[in-house]
Amino acid sequence: DVKVTQSSRYLVKRTGEKVFLECVQDMDHENMFWYRQDPGLGLRLIYFSYDVKMKEKGDIPEGYSVSREKKERFSLILESASTNQTSMYLCASSYPTGGTEAFFGQGTRLTVV
Amino acid sequence: SQKIEQNSEALNIQEGKTATLTCNYTNYSPAYLQWYRQDPGRGPVFLLLIRENEKEKRKERLKVTFDTTLKQSLFHITASQPADSATYLCALGTYSSASKIIFGSGTRLSIRP
Repeated sequence: DVKVTQSSRYLVKRTGEKVFLECVQDMDHENMFWYRQDPGLGLRLIYFSYDVKMKEKGDIPEGYSVSREKKERFSLILESASTNQTSMYLCASSYPTGGTEAFFGQGTRLTVV
Repeated sequence: SQKIEQNSEALNIQEGKTATLTCNYTNYSPAYLQWYRQDPGRGPVFLLLIRENEKEKRKERLKVTFDTTLKQSLFHITASQPADSATYLCALGTYSSASKIIFGSGTRLSIRP
């Protein structure tokens, strides 16, 4: 069974902390994505990666960075967490050929207090 | 900027009727369009893909249309059931290897018995 696994289901962090969200996929996918989902705003793309060490900004990259040192792992980093980064974070992966489906992890609900 | 609109935040229909969800986009020329289902507290799950040169796709009780002139996709669930209640998301992408998938905000569908 194909799988995208996010390291935490729920996280509570303090303002100013550096936060790491980890995502691992076992499907040998080239593409990996980080989205955040907020009520009424849908899924907004933060960053995506199409190969190891390659990354591109999505629509809302401010306040975030990413790391992809290995093909199966894509990390999202909140350099200095703020309360407006409280959200559901979703990781996804897909093959690079256009149109193939994206597989999602279960999500990490991050609360910044 | 690129924009995807799912013009109903919520849709309530009677069991057995056909549910029709709409996805409109602007400032974008997608090569394909996808529909996903998302249940509360879970990541989206892929349902259907339709490419720019296709007018219609069917899968069991699901039907998707894609009109690149109107910049619109319609998603139909025939003979709807309470188990179809979920949020449905449309997503657009291109064929480049670094393609990013852009999502709409979703429509919450409720099927009442």
